[in-house]
Amino acid sequence: GAVVSQHPSWVICKSGTSVKIECRSLDFQATTMFWYRQFPKQSLMLMATSNEGSKATYEQGVEKDKFLINHASLTLSTLTVTSAHPEDSSFYICSALIPGQGYSGANVLTFGAGSRLTVL
Amino acid sequence: GENVEQHPSTLSVQEGDSAVIKCTYSDSASNYFPWYKQELGKRPQLIIDIRSNVGEKKDQRIAVTLNKTAKHFSLHITETQPEDSAVYFCAAPADKLIFGTGTRLQVFP
Repeated sequence: GAVVSQHPSWVICKSGTSVKIECRSLDFQATTMFWYRQFPKQSLMLMATSNEGSKATYEQGVEKDKFLINHASLTLSTLTVTSAHPEDSSFYICSALIPGQGYSGANVLTFGAGSRLTVL
Repeated sequence: GENVEQHPSTLSVQEGDSAVIKCTYSDSASNYFPWYKQELGKRPQLIIDIRSNVGEKKDQRIAVTLNKTAKHFSLHITETQPEDSAVYFCAAPADKLIFGTGTRLQVFP
């Protein structure tokens, strides 16, 4: 079935460095992908909507220069956390809509496995 | 925009009992309501969903009910088992999916 693959699953980096997280749709094309951030014991907070071939749409309060999103192909979206600081440490999850797999043909949001970022 | 509220935030039940989690939404145009289960350190997984043209859907031990007039929908888990322990999120669509705050369910043997 359709799968969303996300890498790396965990990454540790030094403060001030940049980290790239990849999100791939396997066996289907995703013109739109979504990036979420999740703090411990909290809900999924939408950061941005990644659109293939155009600029990402960021949610209010999310710094677009800090969290760079690139969606260069129909199967790959990347999130780059630039000049990372300890407060950026979090669980980042990407997702994509899989058409017609939900009840009565609804599009289903399917998640990658997530990437746990720790900034020292 | 859409606003989703979820209750309770934590729920503890004895194995074999039932568990009910409720969500309310604000946008009357919303027409699709999924529930996700997230085990510790893992990705959220869709467990059941419903569209607004029906009032209830059941899949073995889990069911979802929808009250469009009151704008709330609920997840029902019967005969709970320890492996049901997880965080459950409801969601409602706007131009993107808005998630509830989550319910941490603990099922004690």
